[in-house]
Amino acid sequence: AQSVTQLDSQVPVFEEAPVELRCNYSSSVSVYLFWYVQYPNQGLQLLLKYLSGSTLVKGINGFEAEFNKSQTSFHLRKPSVHISDTAEYFCAVSPSGNTPLVFGKGTRLSVIA
Amino acid sequence: GAGVSQSPSNKVTEKGKDVELRCDPISGHTALYWYRQSLGQGLEFLIYFQGNSAPDKSGLPSDRFSAERTGGSVSTLTIQRTQQEDSAVYLCASSLGLDRGLGRAEAFFGQGTRLTVV
Repeated sequence: AQSVTQLDSQVPVFEEAPVELRCNYSSSVSVYLFWYVQYPNQGLQLLLKYLSGSTLVKGINGFEAEFNKSQTSFHLRKPSVHISDTAEYFCAVSPSGNTPLVFGKGTRLSVIA
Repeated sequence: GAGVSQSPSNKVTEKGKDVELRCDPISGHTALYWYRQSLGQGLEFLIYFQGNSAPDKSGLPSDRFSAERTGGSVSTLTIQRTQQEDSAVYLCASSLGLDRGLGRAEAFFGQGTRLTVV
């Protein structure tokens, strides 16, 4: 069965500092990869996705992620965070798009002024 | 509609009562999913509907949980004889479905229903 591991449950970072949220998945077949963000008391919003093509994917709000097939990773990065980036971030995988998304447990990003 | 709509947004119920949660997917989306989000547990898959195929119920935690999708659109998640451990946010999502190329996997989420069992 598919699994997604988000290695850090909480990441505190100072405003304007860079951040990386780590995500690893278990799969030996093609997958589609996603990062979702959940702001306090809101639903999930798609941040970015990897379906095919370039392994560096750019998303909304200045975030980007790199698909690394050999390391089965899809880490999320932002060069300079803002207070408004404080939220829960979820990595998800869909094996070939034929089955529901499998989510990691989430990483709570806290940006400190 | 413009997005996935869920109702009610909040539901408080007494232990032992039955509850129904509703999801209205994006028009034209053939795939519909229910997830449960508990504090510190991430998103737990419950059930998946794809077109007219038999639903994938592999994530339902017990036989107290059931879901149906009428006319390929609106879905209702029913929890019978609710227990306190059922308290969570129940999220519904929809996507284009299997026959829509690379876009099929992207899921759009509703705001969720926060269920509190007292």
